[in-house]
Amino acid sequence: SQQGEEDPQALSIQEGENATMNCSYKTSINNLQWYRQNSGRGLVHLILIRSNEREKHSGRLRVTLDTSKKSSSLLITASRAADTASYFCALSNFGNEKLTFGTGTRLTIIP
Amino acid sequence: EPEVTQTPSHQVTQMGQEVILRCVPISNHLYFYWYRQILGQKVEFLVSFYNNEISEKSEIFDDQFSVERPDGSNFTLKIRSTKLEDSAMYFCASSGDREIYGYTFGSGTRLTVV
Repeated sequence: SQQGEEDPQALSIQEGENATMNCSYKTSINNLQWYRQNSGRGLVHLILIRSNEREKHSGRLRVTLDTSKKSSSLLITASRAADTASYFCALSNFGNEKLTFGTGTRLTIIP
Repeated sequence: EPEVTQTPSHQVTQMGQEVILRCVPISNHLYFYWYRQILGQKVEFLVSFYNNEISEKSEIFDDQFSVERPDGSNFTLKIRSTKLEDSAMYFCASSGDREIYGYTFGSGTRLTVV
């Protein structure tokens, strides 16, 4: 079934460095979304990129989408301790309502 | 900024009991959802709701589950005859134009079945 697979599963970097997370998927999508989840908390919508878009920016976030490779990346620049969280890609397919979440990348920012 | 509100934040229930999880979606949103996340696992879709009826549901959403929008503001998930494996974090979400803005999730209800 369609789901995103993030890699790496876990990432630890020093504060101030950039963090890159990747998401791969198998079938056509309508759009791809990235969410953040702090430990034991809700999901926060970060950014949505449509299938006809290649790149989007929002503040320190940059998302790319390559539909030919069926992959997306999320780049967080100038990381901060508050960016420590799990990051999930979520896929929206044509013709249905649901989001299909990936397994997530656990990002730890070391002060 | 508008929020999706879920209550309670934590509920403990005896196996076999019925629970109702409550959500107040964002007021001008039209699409409502329930997802769940079993500890350590990925977030799973349960059901979507639009125009006062279920628009899509997953295999997980069997006869044990039901949803209701009893008034203009609340959106509830009822789980009948709870089982141990129903223990999870349950998230409510709503969206307006989901093609542009995605979904707004609540903070979740942690359900523990003992």
